[in-house]
Amino acid sequence: GENVEQHPSTLSVQEGDSAVIKCTYSDSASNYFPWYKQELGKGPQLIIDIRSNVGEKKDQRIAVTLNKTAKHFSLHITETQPEDSAVYFCAANEKLTFGTGTRLTIIP
Amino acid sequence: DTEVTQTPKHLVMGMTNKKSLKCEQHMGHRAMYWYKQKAKKPPELMFVYSYEKLSINESVPSRFSPECPNSSLLNLHLHALQPEDSALYLCASSQDYRLTNEKLFFGSGTQLSVL
Repeated sequence: GENVEQHPSTLSVQEGDSAVIKCTYSDSASNYFPWYKQELGKGPQLIIDIRSNVGEKKDQRIAVTLNKTAKHFSLHITETQPEDSAVYFCAANEKLTFGTGTRLTIIP
Repeated sequence: DTEVTQTPKHLVMGMTNKKSLKCEQHMGHRAMYWYKQKAKKPPELMFVYSYEKLSINESVPSRFSPECPNSSLLNLHLHALQPEDSALYLCASSQDYRLTNEKLFFGSGTQLSVL
């Protein structure tokens, strides 16, 4: 099947610093790249998405950048807060395959 | 109402039992999904219903049987499960079925344990 690689698998960041998570996909026909946040005991929740006709999208402290040539996209969280602690998943490819996930921990 | 509601939240069943998971949404979405999520792993697509018809079955064993009684409801019937089927089962919905272009709204899931 088509893979979506996600790195890092775990990330600890001091409160107020920035966090970056990267994903690489294989299907060059992919045109939609969402990021989901999953908190303990809950289902994934969409936090931001980007379509292939733009290179960057920002929503307050969260941004996503896309490099279609290299087939990778990244999630950027600035001014991190304790409530940002969660597991983050990217998704891409024909059947919206999820990446392997990143457990983000914000250290107060 | 932007919620996807799943019941029950937790389920323990034996390998000879028959049980059903239920999912409901009132957002007017026409596509509904079942995902399976093992601990510390990403969600894996199982089934997709579009306009109440099964559109995708990701080679799921027949001991899992989906049903879409109407556009708001989605069931997953379970029979003769194995211990390795223990997982979090997530339901999701989207406005239309075009997986490559749709925002998914997930429920909180049913944590299933098969003994």
